Amino acid sequence: SQKIEQNSEALNIQEGKTATLTCNYTNYSPAYLQWYRQDPGRGPVFLLLIRENEKEKRKERLKVTFDTTLKQSLFHITASQPADSATYLCAPLGSGNTGKLIFGQGTTLQVKP
Amino acid sequence: DTGVSQDPRHKITKRGQNVTFRCDPISEHNRLYWYRQTLGQGPEFLTYFQNEAQLEKSRLLSDRFSAERPKGSFSTLEIQRTEQGDSAMYLCASSLGAGSNYGYTFGSGTRLTVV
Repeated sequence: SQKIEQNSEALNIQEGKTATLTCNYTNYSPAYLQWYRQDPGRGPVFLLLIRENEKEKRKERLKVTFDTTLKQSLFHITASQPADSATYLCAPLGSGNTGKLIFGQGTTLQVKP
Repeated sequence: DTGVSQDPRHKITKRGQNVTFRCDPISEHNRLYWYRQTLGQGPEFLTYFQNEAQLEKSRLLSDRFSAERPKGSFSTLEIQRTEQGDSAMYLCASSLGAGSNYGYTFGSGTRLTVV
């Protein structure tokens, strides 16, 4: 069955450093992969989407890579700030028209001042 | 348009009671999704609609669960004969098409507690 794995342990880093979160998937060939941010008690918020033919995508301090050979996406936040503290979810999206996202369990990032 | 709205935000119910949640998507979005999320887990897909048609239901969605989207606008999710295992955050999301360009827009969820 399709499986998406994210670091289950929380990631603690110092303000100003780069945070790197990992998303691995198996039994899956997604055409797109999306990343979301979720704060406690709130719904996820869409951050970035990367397509299978794109190696890298950037948006402000965020960078996402997508390696279809390794079946892995990396999500980077550069110059991290305490306000970046949240849970980050990856969600591959298959090709075709289903539009059904399957989410990983999320990685909690804590940025300390 | 203020985004996706869900009502109520919190619901406490006794085991065995029926509950109904409502979701108002972004008006121009033709797709609407329901997810369930428990603590420490990512959202689990339950079902989705394209306009008024329910196109897919997860195996997680037992016979006690039913969802509707009359006229392709708002949607309701009903849980009959609630069980303690139904306690979770129920999230609604909407998208334009398959969400492959702009992602999903989620509501803030309905937190259900079954006592």
